[in-house]
Formats: sequence, structure tokens, C-alpha cells
Amino acid sequence: QKEVEQNSGPLSVPEGAIASLNCTYSDRGSQSFFWYRQYSGKSPELIMSIYSNGDKEDGRFTAQLNKASQYVSLLIRDSQPSDSATYLCAVNGWILTGGGNKLTFGTGTQLKVEL
Amino acid sequence: SQTIHQWPATLVQPVGSPLSLECTVEGTSNPNLYWYRQAAGRGLQLLFYSVGIGQISSEVPQNLSASRPQDRQFILSSKKLLLSDSGFYLCAWSVGQGTTDTQYFGPGTRLTVL
Repeated sequence: QKEVEQNSGPLSVPEGAIASLNCTYSDRGSQSFFWYRQYSGKSPELIMSIYSNGDKEDGRFTAQLNKASQYVSLLIRDSQPSDSATYLCAVNGWILTGGGNKLTFGTGTQLKVEL
Repeated sequence: SQTIHQWPATLVQPVGSPLSLECTVEGTSNPNLYWYRQAAGRGLQLLFYSVGIGQISSEVPQNLSASRPQDRQFILSSKKLLLSDSGFYLCAWSVGQGTTDTQYFGPGTRLTVL
């Protein structure tokens, strides 16, 4: 059973601080990793993808991947109240017949950015 | 740009009634299409995926079925709903191949079975 683990939170950070969201996964063969943001009552929205060890930056967001430790994280700099949402980590398990990507999702970490 | 639509947005159905949820994608051709369910407090569960017209693969055996009558249309159905079918149903699309294939979600349908 391929698993993706996230702390459910809530993770509370003050406005302007760095929020650090963590995710561990069980399948050593996983090759692609995704972070989605989900506001309450809404559908998940892609924030970032990462495929190689190290850091990948996009604006205020930085994804970090360590395949040896089976660990992926998302850093949000200068956190804003609008960042308050649930963040889902998704890890690819295998390639589906025909080419699609089988993703396993964590249950998400709730982030609250306080004024 | 690509757009994905789902309807209805919300649905309340009695146990034992039929179900039909529709998903359409605009702005792309031959997408991979996915149906997920998100139950309260649980991760997204892949139900079905399709890589082409008439090609449906099921991930979880249950009382749901899916069809893809057109290239950019994906339908989720049930003949008789169960209480356990309640949840947030999400359609997703992608056009990649392999591990970099990236999925984008529609707005979802919230289904309550009473």
C-alpha cells in the first residue's frame, strides 16, 4: 500500500512568516511530486511540481525534495491570510495504462495565517 | 487556455436513486481524464481514468461506473446510490505522458446521499 503522510494541522503562522509544510511517502520508486492548495469547499489547485532532489522556487513558494529521506516539503514565504487553506501533497505511484499518472494524495495540512 | 467544467455543483439524492455527473474539458484534445472522490477527512481516491474515447479503467470496484462518449466528455454514473457514495466528486484532466503528467481539477460536485 503506497502511502503519503501529512500532518493534518492546523498549522498556525503569523502574517509575514514562513510556513513550512511537510510530506513523507513510502514508495521509493516515486518520481514526481505535486503540491495542491484547496480552499474550504473548493477543488484542489496546482501550486508546484518537483521531480529532482533539491529546491524549486516559484514566487513565494519553494518546494524541496529529498528522495533519500522520502521527504518533500513546501515553504511559503511572507505568508498572507489568503494562503489559509489545506495543502495536499501528491506523489506518483506508477504510470497508468495509456500514459496517465497514478497519484496518491495525502489527507492534507490545514494552514492558518493569522493577522 | 484549457477549462474544465463539472455539473451539477451540488446534488442531494435519496439512497437507491440513480446518479449522473458530467465533466467536460475545453481547449485541449485527447486529454487523460480522471474521476476522484474526496470523502470527509480522507485523501483523494481515484475512481476511474480514461486515456481516450470509450477507454475506461476502474481503480476501485464499487457501484459506480464511468463513460467517455466524446473526446472531452467524462460521465460518472450509478444505478443505485448508497449512503457511502456521499462526497466531493472531482474530475481532472491532463495531457502529459509518464511521470511528469500533471493533473488539473475541475470545480467538483458535492453529493449528499440521504
